[in-house]
Amino acid sequence: EAGVTQSPTHLIKTRGQQATLRCSPISGHTSVYWYQQALGLGLQFLLWYDEGEERNRGNFPPRFSGRQFPNYSSELNVNALELEDSALYLCASSWTELGEAFFGQGTRLTVV
Amino acid sequence: AQSVAQPEDQVNVAEGNPLTVKCTYSVSGNPYLFWYVQYPNRGLQFLLKYITGDNLVKGSYGFEAEFNKSQTSFHLKKPSALVSDSALYFCAVRDSFTGGGNKLTFGTGTQLKVEL
Repeated sequence: EAGVTQSPTHLIKTRGQQATLRCSPISGHTSVYWYQQALGLGLQFLLWYDEGEERNRGNFPPRFSGRQFPNYSSELNVNALELEDSALYLCASSWTELGEAFFGQGTRLTVV
Repeated sequence: AQSVAQPEDQVNVAEGNPLTVKCTYSVSGNPYLFWYVQYPNRGLQFLLKYITGDNLVKGSYGFEAEFNKSQTSFHLKKPSALVSDSALYFCAVRDSFTGGGNKLTFGTGTQLKVEL
């Protein structure tokens, strides 16, 4: 069974540009979660999508947004990139609210 | 609000010795607790979870954790450490009352170093 897959593995963008990160959950999982792991800030919850809708978001500005497609895959968009957006972005999926979340390998975003 | 504390940035242990990685939590309702491990340049791997039931939870790779409600702790343990256990360990909590799905609050992580 395939795990959570994320693409691209690495992404380099210039300040002010937009970045798009993609995530495919484990087959059968309907919930997708996005986390940011920035140096010195630890793992922070970004967004939760379930059944195509945004259910919850963390304490991040509106330029962090995303969506979930009918096949439950998800995109994270970061607009007007800032240097401090450089981080490892992790996607996770779970089958139920009580089940453990399974994480992908992450996308390393570097803003220069 | 829910929170997790991992008081040790790094834990050093000799191979073959028992290891403990500490975690304390704070939630409004009943806690759902998790341990994850992260190897360099990799995502998080699930180790074990406590939802309800037996206070001693057994997980992957020989790890176990003990839930202590009175001390609000969920320490990760292993009877005999291996060099290959060296990695970054995260404790996470989810409050049963938040309705926030599987939104997890993570600790800051503990770097485990197992030496020969």
